Amino acid sequence: AQSVAQPEDQVNVAEGNPLTVKCTYSVSGNPYLFWYVQYPNRGLQFLLKYITGDNLVKGSYGFEAEFNKSQTSFHLKKPSALVSDSALYFCAVPRGRSQGNLIFGKGTKLSVKP
Amino acid sequence: DTGVSQDPRHKITKRGQNVTFRCDPISEHNRLYWYRQTLGQGPEFLTYFQNEAQLEKSRLLSDRFSAERPKGSFSTLEIQRTEQGDSAMYLCASSSRAATGSPNEQFFGPGTRLTVL
Repeated sequence: AQSVAQPEDQVNVAEGNPLTVKCTYSVSGNPYLFWYVQYPNRGLQFLLKYITGDNLVKGSYGFEAEFNKSQTSFHLKKPSALVSDSALYFCAVPRGRSQGNLIFGKGTKLSVKP
Repeated sequence: DTGVSQDPRHKITKRGQNVTFRCDPISEHNRLYWYRQTLGQGPEFLTYFQNEAQLEKSRLLSDRFSAERPKGSFSTLEIQRTEQGDSAMYLCASSSRAATGSPNEQFFGPGTRLTVL
């Protein structure tokens, strides 16, 4: 069965430092992987997706994610964190061969301190 | 703003009452999704439509839940005989259909927060 796991409930980073939010996946076949961000009192926003091709995917707001097949991971990264990046981050994977049914992780709260 | 809109934003109801939520997708999107999110959890899929056809429905969705998209534009989600366990944020999203057949990114609305007393 398809699944994603976000092993950290919270990540704390100082402004200007690099950040990593971890996600591991379990899928059969080629994975499609997504990252979303949820700011307080706002809806989820799409950040980036991996479909196929380059293992390093670039997305919105300076974020990127690295697909690693051997480690079954799709970690979200940013070279220099901003206080405004503080939010809840979710990785997601489609259920089975569905094109619409996304399975989300539990989320990781990112806190960037000045 | 031409994003996904949801109405109402907040709903407080008493146990046993029926509630209905509306979602207006991005106008050029033919796919529409409903999710439910409780505190500390990621969104949980409920159902999705392509145009007016309901293509998938979660097995977790009890018979008290029904969704429609009669003209392939806006959608409604109705919960009958609400229970306290139905208290959650109900999220709507829309997307276009990817030409490659792979899943496309979904654009989410602000959600409807339901509180069942």
